Amino acid sequence: AQSVTQPDIHITVSEGASLELRCNYSYGATPYLFWYVQSPGQGLQLLLKYFSGDTLVQGIKGFEAEFKRSQSSFNLRKPSVHWSDAAEYFCAVGARTGGYNKLIFGAGTRLAVHP
Amino acid sequence: GAVVSQHPSWVICKSGTSVKIECRSLDFQATTMFWYRQFPKQSLMLMATSNEGSKATYEQGVEKDKFLINHASLTLSTLTVTSAHPEDSSFYICSARDQRLAVGNEQFFGPGTRLTVL
Repeated sequence: AQSVTQPDIHITVSEGASLELRCNYSYGATPYLFWYVQSPGQGLQLLLKYFSGDTLVQGIKGFEAEFKRSQSSFNLRKPSVHWSDAAEYFCAVGARTGGYNKLIFGAGTRLAVHP
Repeated sequence: GAVVSQHPSWVICKSGTSVKIECRSLDFQATTMFWYRQFPKQSLMLMATSNEGSKATYEQGVEKDKFLINHASLTLSTLTVTSAHPEDSSFYICSARDQRLAVGNEQFFGPGTRLTVL
């Protein structure tokens, strides 16, 4: 069955430090992979996506992610975190199940940023 | 482009009443819309998938008579929570895609609706 695992429930970093949020997926075919960010009480904003091609994907707000098929991973990175990056981050895989195209979300990682 | 709106953004209602939430795609045709439910500090749980002009497909464990979904046009889907109870209080998020154009299951999300049932 398709699944997405985000091993870190909560991460705290200092402003200006680098960041890596982990995401592992389980999917039998070539995955479509997404990272979304959610601020409190808000909907989801797409940070970046991977469909095919270059495995290093650039997104908005200075984020990037690297697809590693051998590790079934799609980790999100940012070289220097800003206080405004504090939010909930969700990794998702696009899957086709039961004849329908769906997004399967990980549990999320809550990022706190210390000044 | 690809903007999805939801109305209302928050609603408080009495137990036993019904509440309707609207989801609109503002600048594209949404052949497929999705409804999610999110409990505090948890991930999104897909409730149902609706294709324009056809009945919604509900996920296992979601009561179709409780959560009525209508997708009558290419820009509007509605979720009606019937006979709402306090346990229905949650954050409801819709998303939409144009099945004819979208690649890789990309969906565009609305801002969510906070439902509180007293």
